[in-house]
Amino acid sequence: GENVEQHPSTLSVQEGDSAVIKCTYSDSASNYFPWYKQELGKGPQLIIDIRSNVGEKKDQRIAVTLNKTAKHFSLHITETQPEDSAVYFCAAIENNNDMRFGAGTRLTVKP
Amino acid sequence: DAGVIQSPRHEVTEMGQEVTLRCKPISGHDYLFWYRQTMMRGLELLIYFNNNVPIDDSGMPEDRFSAKMPNASFSTLKIQPSEPRDSAVYFCASSDFWGLQETQYFGPGTRLLVL
Repeated sequence: GENVEQHPSTLSVQEGDSAVIKCTYSDSASNYFPWYKQELGKGPQLIIDIRSNVGEKKDQRIAVTLNKTAKHFSLHITETQPEDSAVYFCAAIENNNDMRFGAGTRLTVKP
Repeated sequence: DAGVIQSPRHEVTEMGQEVTLRCKPISGHDYLFWYRQTMMRGLELLIYFNNNVPIDDSGMPEDRFSAKMPNASFSTLKIQPSEPRDSAVYFCASSDFWGLQETQYFGPGTRLLVL
């Protein structure tokens, strides 16, 4: 089976600083790694994803890196803003379509 | 598009009662997913459909849970009988093309409380 571990569970940063959230997975066959942002009272929203054929993907202030050898991937948010405050989830999907989410990271950006 | 629509947004019921949650996916999406979110277990995939056909229901916790998708624009998740441990937020999501390996669009969720 697939176990997705996510760290840290909470993260507090000052506005303008960077935030990094890390996830590890156990199945070497995993090939798709999405990141979701969930604001209070809302459903998760995809913010970025990466597939196993690339090591890094960037979209403005958000980037994701993937290390398949070490089986971990990370979310990087630069120049954080108060509206980045939310719970972030990573996920990994095995070839047999078993999708597992990390436990979530509550990010607080202090103005 | 209005996005994924779920109803009701909140449901409070008593143990033993039947609960039906409803979902309308984004028009044109071939995949529909049901998730449950709790503090203890996080986000869990319960079941998903492709073109109205259930593909994987291995996440459904027990026989008290059932899901249907009678047509491309409507799905239900039913709990009968409900128990207090079913209290959670239930999300519906939809996607097109590659299903799980594609962007999933989540609805606002149904917050269920079973007393």
